Amino acid sequence: KAGVTQTPRYLIKTRGQQVTLSCSPISGHRSVSWYQQTPGQGLQFLFEYFSETQRNKGNFPGRFSGRQFSNSRSEMNVSTLELGDSALYLCASRPPGQSTGELFFGEGSRLTVL
Amino acid sequence: QKEVEQDPGPLSVPEGAIVSLNCTYSNSAFQYFMWYRQYSRKGPELLMYTYSSGNKEDGRFTAQVDKSSKYISLFIRDSQPSDSATYLCATPSNTGKLIFGQGTTLQVKP
Repeated sequence: KAGVTQTPRYLIKTRGQQVTLSCSPISGHRSVSWYQQTPGQGLQFLFEYFSETQRNKGNFPGRFSGRQFSNSRSEMNVSTLELGDSALYLCASRPPGQSTGELFFGEGSRLTVL
Repeated sequence: QKEVEQDPGPLSVPEGAIVSLNCTYSNSAFQYFMWYRQYSRKGPELLMYTYSSGNKEDGRFTAQVDKSSKYISLFIRDSQPSDSATYLCATPSNTGKLIFGQGTTLQVKP
């Protein structure tokens, strides 16, 4: 069974640009969460989607947005990039019927903002 | 104050040592706890999951929760170089998101 797939794995952008990251969850998983990981702040929750609806949102500015498609694939977008947005963005999916804590993570998309 | 605190290390031990990794949390409403392991350039993977106070053992790994002191621990017996990774404690908030500790980087030297 394929794991969580994130694309692209690495990308470099400049300040002011926007970026879109993609996540394909494990087949059959309908819940997709996004986390930002930085050396200073660790892993921080961005948002969670289930059946194309955002169920939870973390404390990030409105420049961070996401969506989920009918096939459970998810995208997140960051507009007007800032240097501080440089981070590893992790997507995770959860099996149906499993508790919040049991997440399967992808390998992440490493964003560098210059 | 962060809701889950974890010493980032790094922690370096010789092969075969017993490793103790620890976290504290602030909210007594947190009910269950997880330990994730993250290898370099990889995403975190769930290692252990505990619901209540006491110990839970899985092979060389033991997770311990002390709710009276809001303290959670992960012990690794007979540590191996392949255990070198970052270990993250986590707990679900009442809104459903996972709250992670900072992560402790462990290096096991042969």
